[in-house]
Amino acid sequence: DIQMTQSPSSLSASVGDRVTITCRASQPISNFLSWFQQKPGEAPTLLIHSTSTLHSGVPSRFSGSGSRTDFTLTINGLQPEDLGTYYCQQNYRTPPVFGQGTHLEIK
Amino acid sequence: QVQLVQSGAEVKKPGASVRVSCKTSGYTFTDQEIHWVRQATGQGLEWMGWMNPDSGDTGYAEKFQGRVTMTRSTSVSTAYMELRSLRSDDTAVYYCVRDVPKYCSRGRCTRAYDYWGQGALVTVSS
Repeated sequence: DIQMTQSPSSLSASVGDRVTITCRASQPISNFLSWFQQKPGEAPTLLIHSTSTLHSGVPSRFSGSGSRTDFTLTINGLQPEDLGTYYCQQNYRTPPVFGQGTHLEIK
Repeated sequence: QVQLVQSGAEVKKPGASVRVSCKTSGYTFTDQEIHWVRQATGQGLEWMGWMNPDSGDTGYAEKFQGRVTMTRSTSVSTAYMELRSLRSDDTAVYYCVRDVPKYCSRGRCTRAYDYWGQGALVTVSS
């Protein structure tokens, strides 16, 4: 199976900050990567698919980049409602493994 | 609008089985795959398997082979996930998700879980 490793596992940032979360795949996955946000007590929601395409309705402060094994989720201008846990997922090969998650706190 | 509405919380004893339903609306049920993902309390997301609602074809994570069955009823646009021989570590929230193709090139498509059910808590306890 392809392993997905996220870093950091948790972070704390202030409103307005630029936040970066990274995701590394154990083997090349081209651009077959999604990012999800999960707010406390809710189901996850899709933020970005295909590495860099924003899902409908997702604010433009979110962006994704990367290729092959190294990927990044960036939040430009952190907002209070962005608190939660962020997951990457590869869909290059079955099983479509998730990263372990990055817990984001607002200072 | 697309919706996936799951059945309610369940409490089961070890060794029992549970079936979670996922009623879909707002799109053609047989057009898109349904996947199942679970999440133990305070833990990450774990993929369980997929089902093609048109053909009924399925694929399961190795961890759940022999214990899980994913089925559907096209007449009511509903997917089902049954997990047998429950153990305490099966206590989790179970999500159904719609999996759609996005960008296709040379016979392969990137994909995305664009809609999620609200989740169904299954508690396994004696």
